[in-house]
Amino acid sequence: QQQVKQSPQSLIVQKGGIPIINCAYENTAFDYFPWYQQFPGKGPALLIAIRPDVSEKKEGRFTISFNKSAKQFSLHIMDSQPGDSATYFCAAGDSGSARQLTFGSGTQLTVLP
Amino acid sequence: DTEVTQTPKHLVMGMTNKKSLKCEQHMGHRAMYWYKQKAKKPPELMFVYSYEKLSINESVPSRFSPECPNSSLLNLHLHALQPEDSALYLCASSLRPQTASNEKLFFGSGTQLSVL
Repeated sequence: QQQVKQSPQSLIVQKGGIPIINCAYENTAFDYFPWYQQFPGKGPALLIAIRPDVSEKKEGRFTISFNKSAKQFSLHIMDSQPGDSATYFCAAGDSGSARQLTFGSGTQLTVLP
Repeated sequence: DTEVTQTPKHLVMGMTNKKSLKCEQHMGHRAMYWYKQKAKKPPELMFVYSYEKLSINESVPSRFSPECPNSSLLNLHLHALQPEDSALYLCASSLRPQTASNEKLFFGSGTQLSVL
């Protein structure tokens, strides 16, 4: 029940396209949903995060959509650029628990020039 | 300074060696973490230090020994490792411990460890 399922495993889009990465969870106690971006040879970096009291959050070209009833959330990257090529991890946390973040399995995104 | 600095960047060691990984942050964060990451996999939590005390050990084998000398430093001592321990070891910190699970994690670039 602690799992976060992420899809797709890999994604290739053309420059300017809108890649969408999806995550699903089972634990209804989860109340914090961050996305981390990781470039090769680097550690993950927080990209954007959402709480279940809102259905959408935008930061620049990155948007999280959240569907509480379906227990799903997704990352959309508008006007994608080759520099967005990286691995993206969704995660989920339960603020009422001492448990740490549960990460999804990751999506390797390639944006072609 | 918003960085978590890890040294060394790369490490090759034999199964009988003893080595240490080091991590440093000067952001005033009071929680520090060790994660292990295999290629194309998410980070896996190993240890959490909260206010310089070990608060979480995710059933990590004793050949990995963490140490937190002060609020800015975190070490991971390695001894008698196995080839399957080869991975990227990431240090992270957060302003407060993740008891709320909503603290932003700041990751270092990691140490790429190869065990021969």
